[in-house]
Amino acid sequence: NAGVTQTPKFQVLKTGQSMTLQCAQDMNHNSMYWYRQDPGMGLRLIYYSASEGTTDKGEVPNGYNVSRLNKREFSLRLESAAPSQTSVYFCASSEDGSGANVLTFGAGSRLTVL
Amino acid sequence: SQQGEEDPQALSIQEGENATMNCSYKTSINNLQWYRQNSGRGLVHLILIRSNEREKHSGRLRVTLDTSKKSSSLLITASRAADTASYFCATVNTGGFKTIFGAGTRLFVKA
Repeated sequence: NAGVTQTPKFQVLKTGQSMTLQCAQDMNHNSMYWYRQDPGMGLRLIYYSASEGTTDKGEVPNGYNVSRLNKREFSLRLESAAPSQTSVYFCASSEDGSGANVLTFGAGSRLTVL
Repeated sequence: SQQGEEDPQALSIQEGENATMNCSYKTSINNLQWYRQNSGRGLVHLILIRSNEREKHSGRLRVTLDTSKKSSSLLITASRAADTASYFCATVNTGGFKTIFGAGTRLFVKA
């Protein structure tokens, strides 16, 4: 009953460092998503993967890369972190992105870039 | 830019009162959803209303959708202290893969 699992939960980086946020779901969902949440901004879509083997840009993709490793896993990479990327990152999945697209979220990863 | 905008940004009510939150959006949608987020947690799906529906109920939740005005409202009846959370509307585009969130309404229910 894990649902969507994100690691790490907390991370502090220095400007210019790189890191990868990991996400895994055990619900056999086809679609996976990465969002960032900033105060007063709601959630903004960074990248999504409609199905295994495909990825597409969302609203705010600059500075990020993603990999859909297999059906279960979808990672988000920051190649050269910037203070503007300080945020809470949420991974989500949905069974059928072309239909209702109800999202199941992970608990979030809080990233601070100094 | 974000699809949905919510109103009010924050709402404080007494336990037992009803809470109404509104959401406006900009483009054609497949459906509109409402999510809840407790402090420090991920979002949890509450209810979905399709573009050809006008009203939907689930327990103490009532959602309306007016596609001509591109707006929706969420009503929580007989609110409880445990309803204290942020509530977000989210729209799914007609292509189906992008779910775009509004900025949310922070609800505080006083016991």
